[in-house]
Amino acid sequence: DIQMTQSPSTLAASVGDRVTITCRAGQSISRWLAWYQQKSGKAPKLLIYKASNLASGVPSRFSGRGSGTDFTLTISSLQPDDFATYYCQQYDTYSTFGQGTKVEIK
Amino acid sequence: QVQLQESGPGLVEPSGTLSLTCSVSGGSISSPGYYWGWLRQPPGKGLEWIASVYYSGSTYYNPALKSGVSISVDTSRNHFSLRLNSVTAADTAVYYCAREDRSTGYLFNHAFDIWGQGTVVTVSS
Repeated sequence: DIQMTQSPSTLAASVGDRVTITCRAGQSISRWLAWYQQKSGKAPKLLIYKASNLASGVPSRFSGRGSGTDFTLTISSLQPDDFATYYCQQYDTYSTFGQGTKVEIK
Repeated sequence: QVQLQESGPGLVEPSGTLSLTCSVSGGSISSPGYYWGWLRQPPGKGLEWIASVYYSGSTYYNPALKSGVSISVDTSRNHFSLRLNSVTAADTAVYYCAREDRSTGYLFNHAFDIWGQGTVVTVSS
């Protein structure tokens, strides 16, 4: 299966900061990548699909870039509601997820 | 607005069978635009895709888990189900059902755009 590696595992930031999370695939996945936000005790929420397409209702401060093996999720100005864990998912070949990046309050 | 709701026993004995159902409301499971999937998340760990099904009955399984896993769809009841045989403690997790939007991907590979709230399943005697 295709391994997905996220970095960092934990990130401490302040409200208003620009935050970038990286996801690397073990082989090329074209642009078949999604990003999710998960808050404690809740189901994941789709943020980005096909590497850079914003899901319905997601604020424009979230953006995604990349293709092939290297991808990023950027939050342009971190808001209080954004402190959560973020996962990437490849769906080029079946589906696998990264291990998650926890965004904490600095 | 489409909503998904998981149901099933919260406790399963080791070597037993885990059976879960996902009820779809606010939309038809027979819509050609969507697949339907099961995922799980062990305590304190990440997400793992288990299997997906199309309303036609076509099924797709995680190769790492395929043995002992079965997914099915019942269009008359607007729900789909998961069975996992010979469970062990390693199968203890929150189990989620989710909708896959075909417009986000290709073939049978998609992003999961709507999720159920999740149901906790513990494997223990």
